[in-house]
Formats: sequence, C-alpha cells, structure tokens
Amino acid sequence: RKEVEQDPGPFNVPEGATVAFNCTYSNSASQSFFWYRQDCRKEPKLLMSVYSSGNEDGRFTAQLNRASQYISLLIRDSKLSDSATYLCVVNQRGENTGFQKLVFGTGTRLLVSP
Amino acid sequence: DTAVSQTPKYLVTQMGNDKSIKCEQNLGHDTMYWYKQDSKKFLKIMFSYNNKELIINETVPNRFSPKSPDKAHLNLHINSLELGDSAVYFCASSQDRKRGVNTEAFFGQGTRLTVV
Repeated sequence: RKEVEQDPGPFNVPEGATVAFNCTYSNSASQSFFWYRQDCRKEPKLLMSVYSSGNEDGRFTAQLNRASQYISLLIRDSKLSDSATYLCVVNQRGENTGFQKLVFGTGTRLLVSP
Repeated sequence: DTAVSQTPKYLVTQMGNDKSIKCEQNLGHDTMYWYKQDSKKFLKIMFSYNNKELIINETVPNRFSPKSPDKAHLNLHINSLELGDSAVYFCASSQDRKRGVNTEAFFGQGTRLTVV
C-alpha cells in the first residue's frame, strides 16, 4: 500500500465548477500536510498547508481528518488556469534524525475546459 | 533570480555512462533534497542533506552518490547509468532544522534524464 494515496483522475470539469480531491495516508504519526501543485513539465510548488481546523485560501479549501487519515482539497469556481496536477503531501519527521521527510502522493490531474 | 537552480535541464546519455547533475540554492536554506519523478509521475525522495550532512538515504542504489560541498550546493553523480534511471530528477531546499517547525520545500526546474 502506498504511503499517500490519491485518485489519479483526470477530473474533467467546466469552468466555474466546484471540484474536490481526496487523499488518504497510512502513517498515523504523520505530522503536517500540504497540497502542492505541479503544472505539466514543471516543478511542484506549494499550494497550501492543511490545518486540523480546516483552512481556506481564496477559492481553495483544505480539510484534514486525522482520525480517518484523510485530507481533502476543494476548488470553487474553477478557472482554466487551475488545470494542473494536485499533489497531496504528508510530512513525516524522523524520530531519529529529527528532520522532515515529505512524502508525495501520485497526484490528481485536473483539466478545466471552457 | 532563480531560487533553486539545477543543471542541466535535459540530459540524454548512453547506458553505462557516468553523469552528474548540479544544484544550487540561494535561499539560505540549511536542508537540500534530491527527488526522482518516474514515468508514472510518482515523486519519491532519494536523499536529503542538512548543512552538508546526509540525513536521508532512501535505499537508493549506490551508483547514485550525492555530494554537498557546502549547504548551498547538492550535486548528484550517477555511475553506470541504466535504462531504468530515466526520469526527472528534482532538487529542492527548505529551511528545515532538527526538530524544528515544518517548512515549505522549494523545487528546482528538474533535470530530464533519458538513458538510451
């Protein structure tokens, strides 16, 4: 079983739609959580951190359920420019090393069409 | 100014060759990483270094040897290249410190390695 699992998609949605991505992680000791965005043939970039109480950044809302080991990302009013791969990322800080290790999901591809 | 820069951007080489990829960050971060993204787009950590010291080595074949001459540079040397090494290699850096708060990782543009 992968440490971080995501539906690879693609999710095809029209402009203006609301779309939600889910992610599950296997290591209950994971400490922090992120969504990164990766455009085609580009590097991953941080989209937003995910906090236990849920957090919103403009059209983007992230939620975390530690009991179910589940993370979600909601995008409202989709834009053409939202087309990308969305990577769920879990941070596991090593007990021995004390340093963080970012574990990436395989990503969910979003295609927003006119 | 590019925060994390890696060279070359593209690398095509024959099986059995030895090649290096260079990475430099000008963010003043203490921690640098190498990630491999395979053909299925799965991004997996290979190594991390903090202040030139190896922290993470994720069971990568010893044909891969990272070197960190200083905390701003982390290079990756690959010996005896194999077809399966074809992938995109990303360098990244973060302000991570031992038992510190969790921080964002900044990635370079990637090096697309093709072994023929």
